[in-house]
Amino acid sequence: QVQLKQWGAGLLKPSETLSLTCAVYGGSLSGNYWSWIRQPPGKGLEWIGEINQRRSTNYNPSLKSRVTISVDTSKKQFSLRLSSVTAADTAVYYCARNRWSDDGEDYYGLDVWGLGTPVSVSS
Amino acid sequence: SYELTQPPSVSVSPGQTASITCSGDKLETKYSYWYQQKPGQSPVMVIYQDTKRPSGIPERFSGSNSGNTATLTISGTQAMDEADYYCQAWDSSTVVFGGGTKLTVL
Repeated sequence: QVQLKQWGAGLLKPSETLSLTCAVYGGSLSGNYWSWIRQPPGKGLEWIGEINQRRSTNYNPSLKSRVTISVDTSKKQFSLRLSSVTAADTAVYYCARNRWSDDGEDYYGLDVWGLGTPVSVSS
Repeated sequence: SYELTQPPSVSVSPGQTASITCSGDKLETKYSYWYQQKPGQSPVMVIYQDTKRPSGIPERFSGSNSGNTATLTISGTQAMDEADYYCQAWDSSTVVFGGGTKLTVL
């Protein structure tokens, strides 16, 4: 059973860079995309972007200019960097598996989620 | 960019049927996905590919998708079903979420 464990700095100042990492346990990176999603306090879910084992990425257009998602296949980890943060980036950040069929034809949704990392941006 | 619209809130009495809608342009041409999120917890998928239930999800959860609207139906709603529910679709290589619906069981 795949589990995701995530970590990273929880308190940032404006203009700093947010950095989070998510480790995959009990499964392989291959065949799926690995996503980051965030949820501001009291608000809904916002997808940030994703990466696969081959380092192919997709990003939310509204955040693309500030987001970098990378993967370390040897450690089975993927990471999020969000630059130039402001108070509007305060949120709980989740990592999740975006599951696809082995042939890449069928999409099964975000079926495994991490526990979330609260990130606060304040001067 | 593609948008999904959900009602902010839905109320239901225990034992009755709750229906939560999700609207998007020609949504029936895409698969819809539904997630349940309880306070302080990570979201959990309850429906994928419009109608399928992941392992461990009770049979009272069902889904449909027709025209511009996907619907999550909870039959025989229980107090434990009180939560926020989010629909999701995949469009142009991006994940799109609806704004979420707070389901109150009262």
